[in-house]
Amino acid sequence: DGGITQSPKYLFRKEGQNVTLSCEQNLNHDAMYWYRQDPGQGLRLIYYSQIVNDFQKGDIAEGYSVSREKKESFPLTVTSAQKNPTAFYLCASSRGRFASGNTIYFGEGSWLTVV
Amino acid sequence: DQQVKQNSPSLSVQEGRISILNCDYTNSMFDYFLWYKKYPAEGPTFLISISSIKDKNEDGRFTVFLNKSAKHLSLHIVPSQPGDSAVYFCAASKQGRNDYKLSFGAGTTVTVRA
Repeated sequence: DGGITQSPKYLFRKEGQNVTLSCEQNLNHDAMYWYRQDPGQGLRLIYYSQIVNDFQKGDIAEGYSVSREKKESFPLTVTSAQKNPTAFYLCASSRGRFASGNTIYFGEGSWLTVV
Repeated sequence: DQQVKQNSPSLSVQEGRISILNCDYTNSMFDYFLWYKKYPAEGPTFLISISSIKDKNEDGRFTVFLNKSAKHLSLHIVPSQPGDSAVYFCAASKQGRNDYKLSFGAGTTVTVRA
């Protein structure tokens, strides 16, 4: 089955800790993304990667870091610098640019709660 | 700075009737629009899209209309079914180097009543 796998589904973080959310895709997509969803708000882009070994900041990158060492994998680290990390995190991928008529496919999401 | 706005947070409709979801955007450079459907605790799934060269796109029970002059698009679901109860997000992107970025609205929660 082709798709995007995020893990863990639920994660609790203590104040001051870094945590890493995993995202793996077997769709052979070049581009990958991380979005954050907060109640009553749309999805906001944290980071995106157009190709292996390259990534760009999205609209709310502060307090987050990513890597793209393999085409299939795009892990997101939520650092202690992120002041309000409790949210629903969504990983996504696409074949290419949206202007080409492509669409974006999402994983099931990961809930992160700071305790 | 929200460039894509869904001003109705919720919509309740009777089964079999039409659901109309609205979306407004402020950036005239947007030229590709998508609708996504999301169930609780799941990732959004792609529903339908439209390019700015068209004013209508239809796929089964779902039709999207685009009014570029008004910077407005709408999603029509006919007839509405109980399984359509979900949150619907409107999204937009623009040509250019940054066309890997999608701007999302806040979503509209649709409840289909039996």
